[in-house]
Amino acid sequence: GQQVMQIPQYQHVQEGEDFTTYCNSSTTLSNIQWYKQRPGGHPVFLIQLVKSGEVKKQKRLTFQFGEAKKNSSLHITATQTTDVGTYFCAGRLVGGTSYGKLTFGQGTILTVHP
Amino acid sequence: NAGVTQTPKFRILKIGQSMTLQCTQDMNHNYMYWYRQDPGMGLKLIYYSVGAGITDKGEVPNGYNVSRSTTEDFPLRLELAAPSQTSVYFCASSWEVTGYGYTFGSGTRLTVV
Repeated sequence: GQQVMQIPQYQHVQEGEDFTTYCNSSTTLSNIQWYKQRPGGHPVFLIQLVKSGEVKKQKRLTFQFGEAKKNSSLHITATQTTDVGTYFCAGRLVGGTSYGKLTFGQGTILTVHP
Repeated sequence: NAGVTQTPKFRILKIGQSMTLQCTQDMNHNYMYWYRQDPGMGLKLIYYSVGAGITDKGEVPNGYNVSRSTTEDFPLRLELAAPSQTSVYFCASSWEVTGYGYTFGSGTRLTVV
């Protein structure tokens, strides 16, 4: 079945440092979504990327979708303590009976030391 | 709007007991999903539904059952609870077309002892 791998599993940074998490799929994706889950909370939708090579920004967050639509990254510039949480990527397969369903990566747990 | 509402928030079950996790959404979403989240394992899809009366298995359906009699409700039934079902369960819903993210409920933390 489709696999979505995310690295690293954990990342500890000092406040003000940058952070990047990477997502790789074994198959081509129609689109990819990113979610943030605060400790003890539920996943919250951040953004969706659809086009090959697409780059989107949300304030200090930059999201990229690879040219082959098999990988993606989330980069946070100058982390703040409010960025703490688990970041998940989630991909949708191209076509097939599984359209509409997302396959989630394992997530990257980000801790930020003040 | 309440979004996606899950009940209960916490539950302790004994091995062999059964229970139903409730999920209701008020956004008129066609698609609904049940995920379980284990530490360090991400979210695994248990069952999903593309509309009232239509359900299908996800990655990890064994030990669970679902029904979808209305657009709003998508309960998850655990029969004969086992320790391996100790997890956090999230219900989510979405629009039919891509471009929209999932809206998750606040989760049910289940412990089977």
